Amino acid sequence: NAGVTQTPKFQVLKTGQSMTLQCAQDMNHEYMSWYRQDPGMGLRLIHYSVGAGITDQGEVPNGYNVSRSTTEDFPLRLLSAAPSQTSVYFCASSYSKVAGVGTDTQYFGPGTRLTVL
Amino acid sequence: KQEVTQIPAALSVPEGENLVLNCSFTDSAIYNLQWFRQDPGKGLTSLLLIQSSQREQTSGRLNASLDKSSGRSTLYIAASQPGDSATYLCAVITGANSKLTFGKGITLSVRP
Repeated sequence: NAGVTQTPKFQVLKTGQSMTLQCAQDMNHEYMSWYRQDPGMGLRLIHYSVGAGITDQGEVPNGYNVSRSTTEDFPLRLLSAAPSQTSVYFCASSYSKVAGVGTDTQYFGPGTRLTVL
Repeated sequence: KQEVTQIPAALSVPEGENLVLNCSFTDSAIYNLQWFRQDPGKGLTSLLLIQSSQREQTSGRLNASLDKSSGRSTLYIAASQPGDSATYLCAVITGANSKLTFGKGITLSVRP
């Protein structure tokens, strides 16, 4: 198994540009999520999904959009990039869910380092 | 609102020392608690997961304990090695708002 994969590894955008961060997992996990990690702020949840066709907002959803058309893929879209979105983005997945939340071990991808100029 | 605290933010110890990393959380209504390791520039690797009904979990030189009532968890690392140098994060899933909340991590440096 490749686990959780993310592309690209690095990206530089100009303010106002849009882009999609890709995330895929090959473990048949139902629960997938996106986090951003910033110095001094820790990891914060952006959006999550409990299965194909179902998504919900996390702690910091503004400026981001997600969809879940398949079990394997969970792309994160930046609609109009801003310097405040400069961060490292991590995708994670886990197998099971209880009340809509993954309770098993969370597996993280290697991250995408995004810089917005 | 669930808050997870890890103190101190950084720790430096000589090789071979047994050490304890602390994690505290404000809302005891958790589903589980996980300890992760993060190497510089890398993603997070899960080390141990403790369900809310459990008291501890062990994996090799690592032992994690959970005291829900007091809102505390500890990660015990036996006979530390330079390869243990990394940032260690704890995270909880809380029943109240059903999301994973992370502490800011403890950056551990093990000196040869």
